[in-house]
Amino acid sequence: QSALTQPASVSGSPGQSITLSCSGTSSDVGGYNYVSWYQQHPGKAPKLVIYDVSNRPSGVSNRFSGSKSDKTASLTISGLQAEDEADYYCSSFTSNNTLVFGGGTKLTVL
Amino acid sequence: QVQLVESGGGLVKPGGSLRLSCAASGFTFSDFYMSWIRQAPGRGLEWISYISTSADTIYYADSVKGRFTISRDNAKNSLYLQMNSLRAEDTAVYYCARISVSSINFDYWGQGTLVTVYS
Repeated sequence: QSALTQPASVSGSPGQSITLSCSGTSSDVGGYNYVSWYQQHPGKAPKLVIYDVSNRPSGVSNRFSGSKSDKTASLTISGLQAEDEADYYCSSFTSNNTLVFGGGTKLTVL
Repeated sequence: QVQLVESGGGLVKPGGSLRLSCAASGFTFSDFYMSWIRQAPGRGLEWISYISTSADTIYYADSVKGRFTISRDNAKNSLYLQMNSLRAEDTAVYYCARISVSSINFDYWGQGTLVTVYS
C-alpha cells in the first residue's frame, strides 16, 4: 500500500487561510469517507483534528475544516495562528482493510 | 481521562527481538480496536497493525508482516507488539493508538516508545 500524497511544506501568514491536500486512489481516499487528519508538534504525539473527512472532534478549533473531492482530501485552516505551526498527516482506510498515512506536510506560519 | 502508556523500547541488534506494551486506562479497553503506528527519526507516520476487540481480526502492514505480532489482554487493559527479526529500518518511535468506536481513526495516542536497532 503506497503512502497518500501530501505536499512537503506549506506556509502562510497569521490570519490567512491555508489548505493542505492529500491525494490517494479509488482504493483508499476515493473509496471511503474514513479520511482523518492529525496535527503533530515537534517531539509530541499526533493529535486527531478531523475525522470522517469533515468532522471535528470535541475541543478542536472550528478554524479546522475538512473536505473531499474524488480521490483528494483537503484540510483547511482558517485564521492561521502561530500555534498551528506543525506537521499535518492525513490517513485513510483502504480496500485491503488496512490503513495508510500520507507523507506529511510541514506547515510554517510566517 | 484516556491514557495510553507505551513501554518496552530500547536498543537491540539486528535480528533481535523486543516486546512493546501499552497500558490503557480511562476507558473500557475491551470495547475498542487498538493499533500500533511508528515514526522513524525525522520521517512520517507509518501504520503498523491493528487488532479487534476480541483479537479475532488482525491486520499488518506489509513491511512488518511475518515479523511482528500484535496481541492484547483485555483483563489487563494492555496491548502488545512482539517484534522479531528486527532490522535497522525498524528504528522508530512506536505509538499505541485507540481506534474510534464509531469510525476508523486514531482518536487517542500514547507518548511513544523509542526502538533503536543498531549494530
